[in-house]
Amino acid sequence: EVVMTQSPATLPVSPGERVTLSCRASQSVGTKLAWFQQKPGQAPRLLIYSASTRATGIPARFSGSGSGTEFTLTISSLQSDDFAVYSCQQYSDWYTFGQGTKLEIK
Amino acid sequence: QVILVESGGGVVQPGGSLRISCIASGFAFRTYAMHWVRQAPGKGLEWVAVISSDGNYQNHGDSMKGRFTVSRDNSENTLYLQLTSLRDEDTAVYHCARETAPHREFDYWGQGTLVTVSS
Repeated sequence: EVVMTQSPATLPVSPGERVTLSCRASQSVGTKLAWFQQKPGQAPRLLIYSASTRATGIPARFSGSGSGTEFTLTISSLQSDDFAVYSCQQYSDWYTFGQGTKLEIK
Repeated sequence: QVILVESGGGVVQPGGSLRISCIASGFAFRTYAMHWVRQAPGKGLEWVAVISSDGNYQNHGDSMKGRFTVSRDNSENTLYLQLTSLRDEDTAVYHCARETAPHREFDYWGQGTLVTVSS
C-alpha cells in the first residue's frame, strides 16, 4: 500500500498569508496525485489533479506542484473561506489518502 | 449540475448489515465509474470500493473484501454499498464519488451518510 504522509497536521495561519502544504508518498506515484478541500458536513471538493492541474472553477490562488514522492499545495493569499482541512490522494496504485492538514486561524 | 446524495445510514449492531445508496443527477451516470470512500471520526479518508460504469467490474479495499459489496442500477442512477458483518471500526461517514476519465480523479463527491456500529 502506498502511504501518504501530510505535514503539518495543523497549521495556524492568517488571512492574506501564503500557505504551503506538503504531501509525501512512500513510493513514486508519478503525477497521479490530487488535493481536496474539506469543510465540516460538506462533500470533499477537488482542487488539484494530476499534481498540478486546477479542477474546474478552482481559483488561481490554489496551485499544486511535484512528482514522484514529493508534492506541494500552495495557496498564494489565504482567504477566510479557505480555512478547512486539505487532503492529498494518490491514484497510481489503487487509492490512498493522507491524514490531512487543518488550516486554523492564528 | 452534478449532484450526488447518499442515504441509508444509521445505527447498527456489531455483526449487523446495512445497505446505503447514492442517487446521482446532472450527468450521464451510466458512463462513469463510481467509488465509495469513508471517513471515520477524527481520521483521514479511506477508499472503500470501485465499480465500473457498466457494473461488470468491482473491487474493494482489503479490510472490506468479503464483507462489503458495491453495485449499481444504471436505470435508476443509483449506486449501492451493501455492508455486512459490521465492526466497530466501520463507523464512518460514507461518501460516494465520481471518477472522471482520462485522468481518473474523483471530481464530484456527495456529503455522505453516517453509519454507526454500536451495541
